[in-house]
Order: sequence, then structure tokens, then C-alpha cells
Amino acid sequence: ELKVEQNPLFLSMQEGKNYTIYCNYSTTSDRLYWYRQDPGKSLESLFVLLSNGAVKQEGRLMASLDTKARLSTLHITAAVHDLSATYFCAGLIQGAQKLVFGQGTRLTINP
Amino acid sequence: NAGVTQTPKFQVLKTGQSMTLQCAQDMNHEYMSWYRQDPGMGLRLIHYSVGAGITDQGEVPNGYNVSRSTTEDFPLRLLSAAPSQTSVYFCASSYSGGGWFYNEQFFGPGTRLTVL
Repeated sequence: ELKVEQNPLFLSMQEGKNYTIYCNYSTTSDRLYWYRQDPGKSLESLFVLLSNGAVKQEGRLMASLDTKARLSTLHITAAVHDLSATYFCAGLIQGAQKLVFGQGTRLTINP
Repeated sequence: NAGVTQTPKFQVLKTGQSMTLQCAQDMNHEYMSWYRQDPGMGLRLIHYSVGAGITDQGEVPNGYNVSRSTTEDFPLRLLSAAPSQTSVYFCASSYSGGGWFYNEQFFGPGTRLTVL
């Protein structure tokens, strides 16, 4: 059974700082996803990571995947207020089309 | 393209009532799914469908029914609403053609359901 755990669950940081959100998963997963959710809104796809060593970057966000460690990270560089949101990682159950989500990390970036 | 649409946006039910949450997509996606989102628990899969006429259970299917008569529509039925079903419900769809594919899921705007 695939379990996905994120940490931290809450993160408050200053603008301009760097930080990393961690996503651990318990069994082999076909691929790893990162989503963003603003309060009261739907989920927006950020990254899809397909293989070991995959790294993807979009603006101040960079996601990576280490399948041997069963770990994905979402790194935020020089945070800005607009990045305040809840971030979810999700793993795809191998051989099935089922996503298992982590609990989410609520990120607050203070000016 | 409208993408994934859901109706209604908000709904209040009394315990024991039934209702159907509607979901439609215009992207010709084979795969559609329903999730519920509860505080502190992320999203949990209720039911999913890999094509018209084919549905299967997810992680938390009890109390919900689905059917998929067309590619576009995937309604979720609450048979007898209970307060434990108070949640935000999201419908999602993705392309799942043959070969290597991303399974990127596109989410609808959500339905906020309260059961009294």
C-alpha cells in the first residue's frame, strides 16, 4: 500500500529565503506529482517527475525525485509572497491509475 | 475548452438525503476520478473510471456510487448523506492513451458539501 508523507505540514518563512518541502513515499511509485492549491481554490499541477534523478524547475520552484530513497523535494528559492499556498505531493500507485496524496504543506511567506 | 466543470459549487443537505454531484470534461479524457478533501488529510480517492462503462473503487468508496455512461460525464451519487460526508469534493480527469503518458490530472473547481 502506497503511503505518502510530507514535511513540514506548516511552514512560515520570510521573503527572500530558501526552503525545501520533503515528500517521502513508502513503496515503489510510477511517478511523483506536485500540486499547488490556493485557499478555496482547486489544485494546479506544478510538476510531474517520471524517473530517478528527474529535476524540473519553474521560476523559483524546483522539484526533484530520488526513487532509491523514495523521496521527492520541492525547493523554493528566494521566496516571494505570491508563493504562499498549500503544496501537495502525490504518488501514482504502480500499475494502476490511482493517485495517493500527501497531507499537504501550508506555506506562508511573510514580507 | 471549459476543462473540468463541477456543479453545484455549494450544497447543504440534511442527514439521509441523497444527491448527485455533477462532473463534466470536454478534453476527451478517458480517465476521470472523484476525490474528497478534508482538513489535514490531503485528497482521498473515492471512485475512478478508465473509460465509459468502466468504474472502480478508490480508497474511500463507502456511501458513494458512480457510473460512466459517456466519456464526458462522471456523476457522483451520495445515497444517504451523513455528516461524515461533509467535505470538499473534486473531480479530475486525465488523458491515458496507449504508450508512455504523463497522467497529469486536471482538477475541477470543487463542490463544497455540508451535511447537517
